Amino acid sequence: GAGVSQSPSNKVTEKGKDVELRCDPISGHTALYWYRQSLGQGLEFLIYFQGNSAPDKSGLPSDRFSAERTGGSVSTLTIQRTQQEDSAVYLCASSLFAGGTTDTQYFGPGTRLTVL
Amino acid sequence: SQQGEEDPQALSIQEGENATMNCSYKTSINNLQWYRQNSGRGLVHLILIRSNEREKHSGRLRVTLDTSKKSSSLLITASRAADTASYFCATLIYNQGGKLIFGQGTELSVKP
Repeated sequence: GAGVSQSPSNKVTEKGKDVELRCDPISGHTALYWYRQSLGQGLEFLIYFQGNSAPDKSGLPSDRFSAERTGGSVSTLTIQRTQQEDSAVYLCASSLFAGGTTDTQYFGPGTRLTVL
Repeated sequence: SQQGEEDPQALSIQEGENATMNCSYKTSINNLQWYRQNSGRGLVHLILIRSNEREKHSGRLRVTLDTSKKSSSLLITASRAADTASYFCATLIYNQGGKLIFGQGTELSVKP
């Protein structure tokens, strides 16, 4: 079946603008995750959803970052008033159920965000 | 700070040779997973080993886990040029939900 999809694949924006990144998980996966990958910080966890609720938002770097998931499917990560340090590849993943000992996360291709 | 640390940071070998990458972590885990990444984009899941397992095989991949030393290794046998990529270990920490904590990665280059 189809894998995790993300859109857009690339986004260039000006400092101070808001951006929305979208993730479509694998059908039937109840858990959805957002990670960020940048040169200086490596791969960082941002937030995950189990269904529509977000038990762990600990990785969101500031209150400019927010995410929502509706209908237990698509998720949107919103970054308000973007800064240059927000430039990174934003990766989404999904899995059957968060936290299981054999739960495997499947990743999308990522959105490369560049803030000028 | 990140949970996982990997070594070496970079590894260059000839086709046909074996490649070994190591990962260390700091706290109790549910499982440890290895991923491959080509060209800085999506991660491809390779193998998962649970905390109560010591060794696992998948094709040319062999993963070991030593929970007493909090370390894991990934062995790729008979490497191919197509194995050139970055490899990351990721740990699912015990009792912390679903988030994965990634190591810094090993950049593998296999020369034909």
